[in-house]
Amino acid sequence: GAVVSQHPSRVICKSGTSVKIECRSLDFQATTMFWYRQFPKKSLMLMATSNEGSKATYEQGVEKDKFLINHASLTLSTLTVTSAHPEDSSFYICSARDDRATETQYFGPGTRLLVL
Amino acid sequence: GQSLEQPSEVTAVEGAIVQINCTYQTSGFYGLSWYQQHDGGAPTFLSYNALDGLEETGRFSSFLSRSDSYGYLLLQELQMKDSASYFCAVRIGGYNKLIFGAGTRLAVHP
Repeated sequence: GAVVSQHPSRVICKSGTSVKIECRSLDFQATTMFWYRQFPKKSLMLMATSNEGSKATYEQGVEKDKFLINHASLTLSTLTVTSAHPEDSSFYICSARDDRATETQYFGPGTRLLVL
Repeated sequence: GQSLEQPSEVTAVEGAIVQINCTYQTSGFYGLSWYQQHDGGAPTFLSYNALDGLEETGRFSSFLSRSDSYGYLLLQELQMKDSASYFCAVRIGGYNKLIFGAGTRLAVHP
């Protein structure tokens, strides 16, 4: 099946630093990827839609200057949490939409971010 | 706005059958998906319904009624490993993004 990887799986950082999270589709091309945020025992909240070669589309209430998204190739999207603060601590999950079967999204394993 | 409603918790015993309902109010509906997520893990795709009716995949079945804005996930022959959270998600227009429900925590007991 389709595989999506995320790196790093866990990260602890100090308040005020920036953290970059990578999302890769390993065996398929994904023009479109999505970034979600999930709090413990809560639902997945869509943050933004990432499209290769163009600007990301952010959901209402998500600060685009805070959460920078770059989709530089058909297999890689990155999310950078800038000037992280403790309230940014969360589980960040990406998904990739297979260009061959656009009704299906494959999820990465997630990145747990803890900001001290 | 977009909203999806599903029960927060369901409890069942091994071998039983469980139905998790999902009602939705969204714009630009393309289909209803179901995902399973174990604690600390990533969501795993279970099923997708774009048209009315029942889709069966092994022990899991999913149903959709577009006129009622309603769907359900049916889990049969429950096993302990089925204990997880189950999310319904509506696929909406644009880039076919998914809007998720709050999730149903299923606890399977011996």
